Amino acid sequence: DGGITQSPKYLFRKEGQNVTLSCEQNLNHDAMYWYRQDPGQGLRLIYYSQIVNDFQKGDIAEGYSVSREKKESFPLTVTSAQKNPTAFYLCASSSQPQHFGDGTRLSIL
Amino acid sequence: GESVGLHLPTLSVQEGDNSIINCAYSNSASDYFIWYKQESGKGPQFIIDIRSNMDKRQGQRVTVLLNKTVKHLSLQIAATQPGDSAVYFCADYFSGTYKYIFGTGTRLKVLA
Repeated sequence: DGGITQSPKYLFRKEGQNVTLSCEQNLNHDAMYWYRQDPGQGLRLIYYSQIVNDFQKGDIAEGYSVSREKKESFPLTVTSAQKNPTAFYLCASSSQPQHFGDGTRLSIL
Repeated sequence: GESVGLHLPTLSVQEGDNSIINCAYSNSASDYFIWYKQESGKGPQFIIDIRSNMDKRQGQRVTVLLNKTVKHLSLQIAATQPGDSAVYFCADYFSGTYKYIFGTGTRLKVLA
């Protein structure tokens, strides 16, 4: 079954801790994206990657980091510098249309 | 529980009626448009898309209309069913930036 897998579904972060959200796709898409979703707001772009070993900052990249070492994988690290990390994080890959995973909900302990 | 969708505009329709959900976009250079459905606790699910060289596209029970003059997109759902209850949002894409811009969404409630 082709799709995008995000893990974990729920994640808790302690103060000062970095956490990494996993995103894997088997759709053979070149482009991958990370979004943050907050109540009452549209999806906001954190980082995106058009090709392996290359990525660009989105609109709200501060406090986040990514890597794209493999076509299938685009992990997102939420660093301790992100002061308001509580949100629903969505990974997507794109060959028009953009397809989404089922998200990771990150909360602060 | 899922808190995405709080404070969103809500459209309530009777089961069996048609629903129309509207969306405005701002970039006149956008060349591709998508409608998504999002259920509580899940990722957005693709419904239908349309390119800027078209003004109407139909799918199964859904139709998307694009008015580039006023930068407006609408989603029509025929014979709305309880399973259609969800948050719906649009996205526009400009190939020059590789970025999608998402609307805030509309909550559709289907009344039995």
